[in-house]
Amino acid sequence: AQKVTQAQTEISVVEKEDVTLDCVYETRDTTYYLFWYKQPPSGELVFLIRRNSFDEQNEISGRYSWNFQKSTSSFNFTITASQVVDSAVYFCALSVTGNTDKLIFGTGTRLQVFP
Amino acid sequence: SQTIHQWPATLVQPVGSPLSLECTVEGTSNPNLYWYRQAAGRGLQLLFYSVGIGQISSEVPQNLSASRPQDRQFILSSKKLLLSDSGFYLCAFSQGIVDTQYFGPGTRLTVL
Repeated sequence: AQKVTQAQTEISVVEKEDVTLDCVYETRDTTYYLFWYKQPPSGELVFLIRRNSFDEQNEISGRYSWNFQKSTSSFNFTITASQVVDSAVYFCALSVTGNTDKLIFGTGTRLQVFP
Repeated sequence: SQTIHQWPATLVQPVGSPLSLECTVEGTSNPNLYWYRQAAGRGLQLLFYSVGIGQISSEVPQNLSASRPQDRQFILSSKKLLLSDSGFYLCAFSQGIVDTQYFGPGTRLTVL
């Protein structure tokens, strides 16, 4: 069975601090995809990144970076120099190949960035 | 560009009343469509998905049903709402198998 665990329910930081959101996944499939989504207070889920299981290269996009490690089944997300606008709930998700591309979501991590 | 719309944005309904939530996608053809529910303070649960007109797969047996009358239209319905149907309903689309899913703005449903 597939599962995504985001152990951090809520994180609070002060602006300009770096923060890492943890994501641990479980799957027996060798081909799978990992995602991060951001849910601001408005509610809409905003796509941030997608990685496939064969690409373990870390990725950086502006202040955002992602660390994918198959050895520990983790796909962690770091925000550098956090800003108030980063305050949101962040979801990690897993999709495995098959007949559909169902997303299995973690329970989310609420990030609060204080000025 | 591709866009996804949902309406209404918010809805307050009495227990036992019917429900119809609509989702439409623009700028793409033959998308995969999804309905998710997010209960307060919790993660997202996949309710239904569709790979084509008239093709609906249900993930969780419940009080809800879904239909896809047109290629880019996905409807979530109920004949009689329950209190437990309250939540935030999100529609999503993707372009194919294991493609990225993009979400609509959501509908916040409160059943009283």
